[in-house]
Amino acid sequence: EDQVTQSPEALRLQEGESSSLNCSYTVSGLRGLFWYRQDPGKGPEFLFTLYSAGEEKEKERLKATLTKKESFLHITAPKPEDSATYLCAVRGAGGTSYGKLTFGQGTILTVHP
Amino acid sequence: DTEVTQTPKHLVMGMTNKKSLKCEQHMGHRAMYWYKQKAKKPPELMFVYSYEKLSINESVPSRFSPECPNSSLLNLHLHALQPEDSALYLCASSLGQGGNTEAFFGQGTRLTVV
Repeated sequence: EDQVTQSPEALRLQEGESSSLNCSYTVSGLRGLFWYRQDPGKGPEFLFTLYSAGEEKEKERLKATLTKKESFLHITAPKPEDSATYLCAVRGAGGTSYGKLTFGQGTILTVHP
Repeated sequence: DTEVTQTPKHLVMGMTNKKSLKCEQHMGHRAMYWYKQKAKKPPELMFVYSYEKLSINESVPSRFSPECPNSSLLNLHLHALQPEDSALYLCASSLGQGGNTEAFFGQGTRLTVV
């Protein structure tokens, strides 16, 4: 069974204070690792897809990286509007994992002005 | 355009009511999903449709009945729900069911069962 563990559960930063969120995963044949941002009461907003170790993707202040066991979401000089829950999800190759997105518990990020 | 549209945004229903949630996408995606999300928890998969056929049912109680009338539409029919079924119901779609294709989510329907 696919498993995704995110840490920390919650992260409080000052505006401009860079940090990283971690996503550790166990999956049978990784087909994709996905990062989402979710604001309260809203649906998850897609950020990045990664699928091979060493891959990196960037968007504004966010950078996602992938190794064979974990992914990091680096946030550079965050702003208060970056406050949200960040979700990591994986999709496995087949068997009972096929077609399923398995989510981690999420990291609640709060950025103070 | 990466929009998945869900209606209604909010729904309050009694335990004896029958209601339906609707989801629509026009991205040409052939996989569509229903997820349930409780407060402070991640989305939990309920159903997956691939090419309009039910592909995955995560042992969801029969009081939830999915329907995929065509490749753009997905419905979730609700009947005799329990208060513990109150949650945010999310629809998503992706190009295909497998592989590295990302899923795009709608804004959800906030369901309250009274």
